[in-house]
Amino acid sequence: GAVVSQHPSWVICKSGTSVKIECRSLDFQATTMFWYRQFPKQSLMLMATSNEGSKATYEQGVEKDKFLINHASLTLSTLTVTSAHPEDSSFYICSAPRRLAPNTGELFFGEGSRLTVL
Amino acid sequence: AQSVTQPDIHITVSEGASLELRCNYSYGATPYLFWYVQSPGQGLQLLLKYFSGDTLVQGIKGFEAEFKRSQSSFNLRKPSVHWSDAAEYFCAVGGYGNKLVFGAGTILRVKS
Repeated sequence: GAVVSQHPSWVICKSGTSVKIECRSLDFQATTMFWYRQFPKQSLMLMATSNEGSKATYEQGVEKDKFLINHASLTLSTLTVTSAHPEDSSFYICSAPRRLAPNTGELFFGEGSRLTVL
Repeated sequence: AQSVTQPDIHITVSEGASLELRCNYSYGATPYLFWYVQSPGQGLQLLLKYFSGDTLVQGIKGFEAEFKRSQSSFNLRKPSVHWSDAAEYFCAVGGYGNKLVFGAGTILRVKS
């Protein structure tokens, strides 16, 4: 079964509103989680690294004020898309490292959350 | 900078036929290489990985991949494709710190 879960799996919102996406590690603690954005027919783009107890690390070109990331606990990271616009519509995926294989790139992925901004 | 190229956006094969999905990478050091599969509505699942050692790695569901340093390639193969293999496949390269760089993905369609 899934070991990383995202919620909601899909959301439709009006332009200008904010949307929060949750990522939970279900049976392990994750001090680090990663947020990706996937465009249609394109690869997953790493947006940011979520760190429990400290600020997230954003990749170049990702707006920190637009995509707020909070790693509230060892099992929960949230991504809030603030003042969403249609161009923010995308598939957002979170991941967490396999607990037995830190720093090797082996990740568990959530099911993804599809955001549609009208 | 790291990059991954998957030259084929779509591939269609007949059930029972062999499969090869291509992946080329660019990375300054010895890479960690991965293949993930994504089925509709599901998260990415790790098929196999290469860290070091034997360049032919075996994965789940009968998949294998071969690391060829001289060609900067890590192609995914399966001798006989099943209809349930239809999905999108992503090649990724990673280094220290769990950051992965993904290819654009290859959508596999299986004809019955």
